[in-house]
Amino acid sequence: ETGVTQTPRHLVMGMTNKKSLKCEQHLGHNAMYWYKQSAKKPLELMFVYSLEERVENNSVPSRFSPECPNSSHLFLHLHTLQPEDSALYLCASSHRSGYQETQYFGPGTRLLVL
Amino acid sequence: EDQVTQSPEALRLQEGESSSLNCSYTVSGLRGLFWYRQDPGKGPEFLFTLYSAGEEKEKERLKATLTKKESFLHITAPKPEDSATYLCAVQGSGGSYIPTFGRGTSLIVHP
Repeated sequence: ETGVTQTPRHLVMGMTNKKSLKCEQHLGHNAMYWYKQSAKKPLELMFVYSLEERVENNSVPSRFSPECPNSSHLFLHLHTLQPEDSALYLCASSHRSGYQETQYFGPGTRLLVL
Repeated sequence: EDQVTQSPEALRLQEGESSSLNCSYTVSGLRGLFWYRQDPGKGPEFLFTLYSAGEEKEKERLKATLTKKESFLHITAPKPEDSATYLCAVQGSGGSYIPTFGRGTSLIVHP
């Protein structure tokens, strides 16, 4: 148990659907992240929320929309996805201390876009 | 730009056959080097953080070491349950606090 939970664990959606992924951290951290993990590729950072600041990877398509209502919850809203968006989506959290930060990951949501 | 290269890409061992995984990195001022274990379809599980050259950390059959250019994850007398993908990441002091991850080493330990 890592203290970071994600729901749902598995999701199948059509290209016209709208869905949301949810992440919750119970570690008292002040930064949360969304990553995409595709086969044979390194982890790809999508978004970061830290101290109410949002940082995003400019290569992420606008069909992915993050929301961070507070320091414990993070959402990823999905709409009109493409089959190439099928991947494992990972949420992580860390404590920003101005020095090194260890990220703790959730179990991931396996997404399949048909 | 920080870079991380892990080798080998895949490694097959017999149970009890010790070996090492390599993580080579370039970073402008190392804040931390991280090792994670990832089982198929699951999120990475944190193993170690190393901060400075010469540092070593151990956990059961795993031992991580760090030099100024690379880190090794030594696996002593591995068991089948050690089979997983091992990820390495570095965090530099060049301005971004976001770690850079390598592609990982897929380890299979045969009984």
